Amino acid sequence: AQKITQTQPGMFVQEKEAVTLDCTYDTSDPSYGLFWYKQPSSGEMIFLIYQGSYDQQNATEGRYSLNFQKARKSANLVISASQLGDSAMYFCAMREFHNAGNMLTFGGGTRLMVKP
Amino acid sequence: DAMVIQNPRYQVTQFGKPVTLSCSQTLNHNVMYWYQQKSSQAPKLLFHYYDKDFNNEADTPDNFQSRRPNTSFCFLDIRSPGLGDAAMYLCATSRDYGGEKLFFGSGTQLSVL
Repeated sequence: AQKITQTQPGMFVQEKEAVTLDCTYDTSDPSYGLFWYKQPSSGEMIFLIYQGSYDQQNATEGRYSLNFQKARKSANLVISASQLGDSAMYFCAMREFHNAGNMLTFGGGTRLMVKP
Repeated sequence: DAMVIQNPRYQVTQFGKPVTLSCSQTLNHNVMYWYQQKSSQAPKLLFHYYDKDFNNEADTPDNFQSRRPNTSFCFLDIRSPGLGDAAMYLCATSRDYGGEKLFFGSGTQLSVL
């Protein structure tokens, strides 16, 4: 079974608008962390934001925020004021602290394209 | 300044000819990982080291091996590359397990002719 599901293979957003990238996850481990990474065409994976399963507040990092809904097992990434440089692949990932050898598992990714 | 460095950026090899990809880090992190990423797919973990302890994923082909001679360097050896091994290979590090984020290199794009 898929541990991380990203249902949007591709998305368009107008420059300067906000966009939400969806991510749902599946785990029985009460302790886990959720990550979002950006992968531009150059190939490097760039860390964006992290949310721990016990964190009370939603994580924010500049223009990035994570809409964490624990009961729904969703961890959507919100990018405010999109820029042309935001065009890239975005991967949601999870690390279960007790299961799966504590390794990072990635979703299938969403390709975001920002229109000028 | 790059903290996780992969060389070369592009590697071309022939079918069946052994190839080695290298990764170095300046972060002094305990954990080093190798991921394989095929076109338009998610990265897939091949194996990782915690210090000198090697951990192989169950479905990593025997064709793939790794060495970590010291904290800073880690190598991926593909003994007999097949056409299906053409992919981007990503090296990553983390200070520890748990909530520690992974730092990735720029990757090596491997082509097999």
